[in-house]
Amino acid sequence: QVQLQESGPGLVQPSETLSLTCTVSTSSISSGYYWAWIRQPPGQGLEWIGSVFHNGGTYYNPSLKSRVTISVDTSKDQFSLKLSSVTVADTAVYFCARQIFGTTLFYFDYWGQGTLVTVSS
Amino acid sequence: EIVMTQSPATLSVSPGERASVACRASQSVGSNLAWYQQKPGQAPRLLIYGASTRATGIPARFSGSGSGTEFTLTISSLQSEDFAVYFCQQYISWLTFGGGTKVEIK
Repeated sequence: QVQLQESGPGLVQPSETLSLTCTVSTSSISSGYYWAWIRQPPGQGLEWIGSVFHNGGTYYNPSLKSRVTISVDTSKDQFSLKLSSVTVADTAVYFCARQIFGTTLFYFDYWGQGTLVTVSS
Repeated sequence: EIVMTQSPATLSVSPGERASVACRASQSVGSNLAWYQQKPGQAPRLLIYGASTRATGIPARFSGSGSGTEFTLTISSLQSEDFAVYFCQQYISWLTFGGGTKVEIK
């Protein structure tokens, strides 16, 4: 059973950068999967943010690409999200997840519990 | 961007009854569709991928059907633990989710 745990500040100031880390346990981040960030604004649906491979290769949601950086630290079995210039619209529960892939990115088979990030002054 | 539309937004069903959730894609996604279940305060759980293949450990009462632009998630006999929100997700062109269907107790 793969376990993922998000960590990071729960409150971010508008115009600042949101930073989160996901720690993977009971599995190696180099085990041949993509690792992804997904968010869910309160009471709303899910939005894929982006995905990273253990070699650092990334895919980003085109609608967020200009503000997103996802990186990986294989020595710690962690991957991280940075979202710059945040506004109140970025308030959401942020999930990290393991992603199955083939010729393209596929679905998410293991998820973290999620962490609420509120953007407010 | 492929837009995924789910219907209905809310489905009221009695325990033991059958429930069907629809998902429509704005263009063909083939069989590149997954379904997830989400309970309050929890992460989504993968139910179905490839439009009709159950994920590991998912009970047989959950089934998925469809291809192209029209898909259905069916729960054959609702159990108390099945009352939740269900999302579809396409993965043929980037990744987008439907808005969700809440299955509630009637």
